[in-house]
Amino acid sequence: DGGITQSPKYLFRKEGQNVTLSCEQNLNHDAMYWYRQDPGQGLRLIYYSQIVNDFQKGDIAEGYSVSREKKESFPLTVTSAQKNPTAFYLCASSIVFFAEAFFGQGTRLTVV
Amino acid sequence: AQSVTQLDSHVSVSEGTPVLLRCNYSSSYSPSLFWYVQHPNKGLQLLLKYTSAATLVKGINGFEAEFKKSETSFHLTKPSAHMSDAAEYFCVVSDRDMRFGAGTRLTVKP
Repeated sequence: DGGITQSPKYLFRKEGQNVTLSCEQNLNHDAMYWYRQDPGQGLRLIYYSQIVNDFQKGDIAEGYSVSREKKESFPLTVTSAQKNPTAFYLCASSIVFFAEAFFGQGTRLTVV
Repeated sequence: AQSVTQLDSHVSVSEGTPVLLRCNYSSSYSPSLFWYVQHPNKGLQLLLKYTSAATLVKGINGFEAEFKKSETSFHLTKPSAHMSDAAEYFCVVSDRDMRFGAGTRLTVKP
């Protein structure tokens, strides 16, 4: 089945640690995105990538980093510089930039 | 700059009654518009999309939405609510980028 896989589903991190969230898609989509979701705030764009080896900051990129070395993969690293990292993170992809997006099941990150 | 406003943060209906979730948007271009549904701790699933074809768009699970350019609205409706419709719904506008509304939580009472 084609789709987007995020792992892990739940992640706990100690303060001061970096953590990487995985996102893999087998839809052959060029564009991929990372969103952060907090209660009552909808989705906010962290980073996006239109093509391999290229990515752009979204609205809330501070404290996050990404890479796009392969078309299928778009991992997100939450660094210790992110002051409030506890949130639900969603990865998405689309066939072209900002077309209909397909979402993964999300990763819930909790800082302990 | 484009934006999207979901007019109700929470809507409560009884099972079998109609559903109306309201969405207004602003865009400098001819946007695409989407409605997504999210069940708790899950990803978002596309319900329906408008991309400048027919203004009345039919989606999955009996939902539909009407694009009204004069009112800059894209309200989501369903004639008869089912318990399984209880979820969070997001209106999305896309032209140069993609903007999400804050979401509307739909509660369905038995």
